[in-house]
Amino acid sequence: DTAVSQTPKYLVTQMGNDKSIKCEQNLGHDTMYWYKQDSKKFLKIMFSYNNKELIINETVPNRFSPKSPDKAHLNLHINSLELGDSAVYFCASSQESTSGRHTYEQYFGPGTRLTVT
Amino acid sequence: AQKITQTQPGMFVQEKEAVTLDCTYDTSDQSYGLFWYKQPSSGEMIFLIYQGSYDEQNATEGRYSLNFQKARKSANLVISASQLGDSAMYFCAMRGWGGNKLTFGTGTQLKVEL
Repeated sequence: DTAVSQTPKYLVTQMGNDKSIKCEQNLGHDTMYWYKQDSKKFLKIMFSYNNKELIINETVPNRFSPKSPDKAHLNLHINSLELGDSAVYFCASSQESTSGRHTYEQYFGPGTRLTVT
Repeated sequence: AQKITQTQPGMFVQEKEAVTLDCTYDTSDQSYGLFWYKQPSSGEMIFLIYQGSYDEQNATEGRYSLNFQKARKSANLVISASQLGDSAMYFCAMRGWGGNKLTFGTGTQLKVEL
């Protein structure tokens, strides 16, 4: 009954390679996100999708391309990996469109630790 | 733009004691939300508590409470009766209304000692 899942959990690859990280949520949420946590534990938004539409793209290099085939899935493809891409990547989801009071908390996946050598 | 400041990189607390983790924020939004997340050493991000800017009461969730002082722009997390399992990194975050991204602080590493 995992709410937000990511695969793989660990990814070790060489510079210049292309890799993908997959994310799925079974919470019925309409919005999904990618965050990057660097080596100092600082978390920063990368992308956000609402109902498969890109709504946030935060100064991320073009080598990063998110894709949302449906509102339950948000994948992250990274081209030409660089050493500085080494980080933990978190997928998250939230319900943004609702009636009444809502807290809009975001639920995070377990993270994918990417190591570029 | 939003900014979150957590000035305590590390904190120690004895088991069963209460501890306050500081968080101040800056925003020009009239309406916003404040969140606390816990990240244990296993790495997952666990949502703890939420406070809306127009909520009159301080939020509470079990042993967690949020001491919200709007005029001082602070949203401190209070953990009562600390347990060894509370040892983790704690992040304060906020979002403005009209945007849905979370802006995070740099985190506070809490260690609970016997």
